[in-house]
Amino acid sequence: EVQLVESGGDLVQPGGSLSLSCAASGFTFSSSAMSWVRQAPGKGLEWVLSIFPSGRTYCVDSVKGRFTISRDNSRNTLYLQMSRLRVEDTAVYYCAKGHWGDSWGQGALVTVSS
Amino acid sequence: DVVMTQSPVSLPVTLGQPASISCRSSQGLLHTDGSTYLHWFHQRPGQSPRRLIYKVSDRDSGVPDRFSGSGSGTNFTLKISRVEAEDVGVYYCMQVTHWPLTFGGGTKVEIK
Repeated sequence: EVQLVESGGDLVQPGGSLSLSCAASGFTFSSSAMSWVRQAPGKGLEWVLSIFPSGRTYCVDSVKGRFTISRDNSRNTLYLQMSRLRVEDTAVYYCAKGHWGDSWGQGALVTVSS
Repeated sequence: DVVMTQSPVSLPVTLGQPASISCRSSQGLLHTDGSTYLHWFHQRPGQSPRRLIYKVSDRDSGVPDRFSGSGSGTNFTLKISRVEAEDVGVYYCMQVTHWPLTFGGGTKVEIK
């Protein structure tokens, strides 16, 4: 069974930084693309970044230069490094298997507020 | 960017009756490899999204056959043949043909 467990969500001030992790199990992590998708409070889903087994990454323009996606295949873990955070980055951040959203974690809440 | 437009935004339905959700894209979703990468997700209140349908019409494992997807080009539809209580929540379409990936705004299904 695929399991994705996010961690690291927190309250952070505007301009600050935060890292999220996603521990994966139940599938061959190193062979799978992975993604981060976010959902602002009461809003819809927004794809943020994806990383492929090759290491190639894609991201939405609004986080370019601020967010970085990476992976550690030896630890079956996906990361999201966020910097220069803005109030509008406040959201639940979901880790998802693939770039098709095959399976999702339970989400990690990131709140950007002073 | 490809804009995904869903309608209706809200869909009150009667238990046992059919329901239909439309998703339109601002660009065609036929990939150069011949596939159309349009997926459907369901998010129950307080839960993570779950994919129901991938590549327009393929049902994910464990998804009841009352759910079906159809469409091509820029027009797509998700149909529920007979709505059950567990089907409430928000449904999203998502295109994975063009970068950046984009979701529709969502359709909230509730029981009348």
